[in-house]
Amino acid sequence: NAGVTQTPKFRILKIGQSMTLQCTQDMNHNYMYWYRQDPGMGLKLIYYSVGAGITDKGEVPNGYNVSRSTTEDFPLRLELAAPSQTSVYFCASSYEHYEQYFGPGTRLTVT
Amino acid sequence: RKEVEQDPGPFNVPEGATVAFNCTYSNSASQSFFWYRQDCRKEPKLLMSVYSSGNEDGRFTAQLNRASQYISLLIRDSKLSDSATYLCVVNTGFQKLVFGTGTRLLVSP
Repeated sequence: NAGVTQTPKFRILKIGQSMTLQCTQDMNHNYMYWYRQDPGMGLKLIYYSVGAGITDKGEVPNGYNVSRSTTEDFPLRLELAAPSQTSVYFCASSYEHYEQYFGPGTRLTVT
Repeated sequence: RKEVEQDPGPFNVPEGATVAFNCTYSNSASQSFFWYRQDCRKEPKLLMSVYSSGNEDGRFTAQLNRASQYISLLIRDSKLSDSATYLCVVNTGFQKLVFGTGTRLLVSP
């Protein structure tokens, strides 16, 4: 099992550009999550999904979009990147609302 | 009041010491509890779940006090490799986990 994989590992964007962060899990988990973690801060939930076709907003959804067309994939879309979106992005998955397993993260810089 | 609160530390302890962290949560309906460990610039990893009766895994012991709404993590015989940030995590029952901001532990030789 690869667990949760994320691509890319690093990315630098210019202000106003768009990109998609990819997340895939092979554990057949129904729940998936996107978090951001700013330096020295805790994790903040951006969006989550409880199954294919079902997504919902977390604490900080503005400036992001998600989709969940399959159980395995949960991409996060950034439209019109802003410096405030410079952060480390973690994807996670879980079976129901039990312990979550995290991907290695994507380090994004917007300049 | 934050949903999950932790002392950010850092806790500086020598090798071999015993150290304990507490974490308080505000929602009395919270259903499950976890401790995660996060190394610098890495993803959080599950350390242990916290059960009502308390549980132990080697040098690590977790306790839950529902009446006072806190959970604790005790680390005995600290190792250099225990240096990390420890995240308290609570399932509030709304289909998502709430993460504390973490307690930083530094174990020195």
